[in-house]
Amino acid sequence: KAGVTQTPRYLIKTRGQQVTLSCSPISGHRSVSWYQQTPGQGLQFLFEYFSETQRNKGNFPGRFSGRQFSNSRSEMNVSTLELGDSALYLCASSEQGADTIYFGEGSWLTVV
Amino acid sequence: AQKITQTQPGMFVQEKEAVTLDCTYDTSDQSYGLFWYKQPSSGEMIFLIYQGSYDEQNATEGRYSLNFQKARKSANLVISASQLGDSAMYFCAMRGVYLVFGAGTILRVKS
Repeated sequence: KAGVTQTPRYLIKTRGQQVTLSCSPISGHRSVSWYQQTPGQGLQFLFEYFSETQRNKGNFPGRFSGRQFSNSRSEMNVSTLELGDSALYLCASSEQGADTIYFGEGSWLTVV
Repeated sequence: AQKITQTQPGMFVQEKEAVTLDCTYDTSDQSYGLFWYKQPSSGEMIFLIYQGSYDEQNATEGRYSLNFQKARKSANLVISASQLGDSAMYFCAMRGVYLVFGAGTILRVKS
């Protein structure tokens, strides 16, 4: 069974640009959540999707958005990139109510 | 609000010895879940072990065990027979609406 797949793994963007990150959850998992990891703030929750609906959202500005498709794949978008958006973005998937939450390898975003 | 505290920024352990990574938590929920993850330098967050708040037995997964002391609100990870490949960052996390993580502990295994 394939794990959580995130693409791209590494990317460099310029301030003001936008970026889209993709996440394919484990087959059968309908819950997908996103986290941002930075050295200063640690791991912070961005949002969670279940069956194409955003269920929860963390304390991030509106520049951060996401969506989930009918096949449970999810994308997150960051518009008008700032230097502080440089981070590791991690996607996690789980079955509803399950005891285990699995993460992907993450997407390393550098904003210059 | 839920909070996870990991008080050990870094730990060293000799290969083949056991090591305990500390985790305390704070929550007003009666039902909650506690997780431990390993994060090597590649960035992937690897699930290690889970403990539910109503589980009476401590969780074990191979060389990993979780020492769950509910009254003390602690959920320490015990790694037995450390291996060089265990060198990584370890995070304790609690699930409420979403996962809340501690600051992590860097573990270095010495040969």
